[in-house]
Amino acid sequence: EAQVTQNPRYLITVTGKKLTVTCSQNMNHEYMSWYRQDPGLGLRQIYYSMNVEVTDKGDVPEGYKVSRKEKRNFPLILESPSPNQTSLYFCASSPGTGKGVGQPQHFGDGTRLSIL
Amino acid sequence: DAKTTQPTSMDCAEGRAANLPCNHSTISGNEYVYWYRQIHSQGPQYIIHGLKNNETNEMASLIITEDRKSSTLILPHATLRDTAVYYCIVRVVGFGGGADGLTFGKGTHLIIQP
Repeated sequence: EAQVTQNPRYLITVTGKKLTVTCSQNMNHEYMSWYRQDPGLGLRQIYYSMNVEVTDKGDVPEGYKVSRKEKRNFPLILESPSPNQTSLYFCASSPGTGKGVGQPQHFGDGTRLSIL
Repeated sequence: DAKTTQPTSMDCAEGRAANLPCNHSTISGNEYVYWYRQIHSQGPQYIIHGLKNNETNEMASLIITEDRKSSTLILPHATLRDTAVYYCIVRVVGFGGGADGLTFGKGTHLIIQP
């Protein structure tokens, strides 16, 4: 089954303790992206990757890092989490370059982070 | 990207057609109209997209006006499981051909009544 898998689904942690949220897709998609969703603000893009070793900032990149060492994985790293990063996070992927115009994004089920 | 305007909420009776409007009066010629929905904090789910022709798939139909300034998503026989927030997004297709960074507004909260 084609899917985007995020782990963990829920995490409560404390300020300053480094954490990583993993994202993996099994569709051989080139494009992957991270969003955060906050009440009243909708989904906002954090980082995206057009392909392996190619990443770029989205609208709200501060406090986050990403890496794309292999096509299927796109982890989101919070090196020193703070309470304002408490949010619902979504990873997404789409086919990308040369795979057809207008291809939609596929989203994971989300990761709810609480930073105390 | 063109801005979209959607009603905040709508009700629809189960079994009836749900018609969700979206205004995008500043849309440009190379921008597609996408519809996604989000069921109670789950990941957004793609529904349908189109450029200027009407489109239909197994989930819904998309009707785009001739001037492309507005569109309507139609769920032909709404069920309780269609209760969700529906997002209309207008987006230039990225150079990679895919739906790159999507800007989700507040959407329409569609409530299907039994």
